[in-house]
Amino acid sequence: GAGVSQSPRYKVTKRGQDVALRCDPISGHVSLYWYRQALGQGPEFLTYFNYEAQQDKSGLPNDRFSAERPEGSISTLTIQRTEQRDSAMYRCASSLYNVIVTGEGETQYFGPGTRLLVL
Amino acid sequence: AQSVTQLDSHVSVSEGTPVLLRCNYSSSYSPSLFWYVQHPNKGLQLLLKYTSAATLVKGINGFEAEFKKSETSFHLTKPSAHMSDAAEYFCVVSPPRYGTYKYIFGTGTRLKVLA
Repeated sequence: GAGVSQSPRYKVTKRGQDVALRCDPISGHVSLYWYRQALGQGPEFLTYFNYEAQQDKSGLPNDRFSAERPEGSISTLTIQRTEQRDSAMYRCASSLYNVIVTGEGETQYFGPGTRLLVL
Repeated sequence: AQSVTQLDSHVSVSEGTPVLLRCNYSSSYSPSLFWYVQHPNKGLQLLLKYTSAATLVKGINGFEAEFKKSETSFHLTKPSAHMSDAAEYFCVVSPPRYGTYKYIFGTGTRLKVLA
């Protein structure tokens, strides 16, 4: 596709429900990242994939959060048993290479985000 | 540890006047630095990027930024503001070299352009 797409754009759910957020990166991009952005803050790193391998999940806040990218393209971020504090904008980004290849910060291309509201 | 500080949460300028958005970073090594812009209901868009070449970086829409290692700064400037520049701007540091990939974002500066 022309850019990174995310779905849904908005999600309202009740506390305790599970949600799945989808990210479709730019075609051919090796690396995929998930970030979370609270209101009035900058995005914070959650996790990172290189192809289908989850290289780093150190930013996931707890074990209710998980992510996968089974075929090295589309990724899903799943939040189980949602809580009100999970309400935020969830952003996905992709980059053509990872910095391990290029040795410098790769440009990440961001999707429009999914705004999650947990009631 | 890497970090980035955006010194102003809000900046207001009149249309046609210069824009200055300030960013200071902390890094053990020379980092890659970025400025992104976020318009309402849009994704983050890259304005410009510094990796290790020229210290003065030119970006899109007339923006530029200068990497000053001695001041650990990467301020964003534009000679003449346009109404369409009203948005939120994020300074980003990306730790250097191999094995690194995370973006570390500042808290953002919201730019308001007055007619």
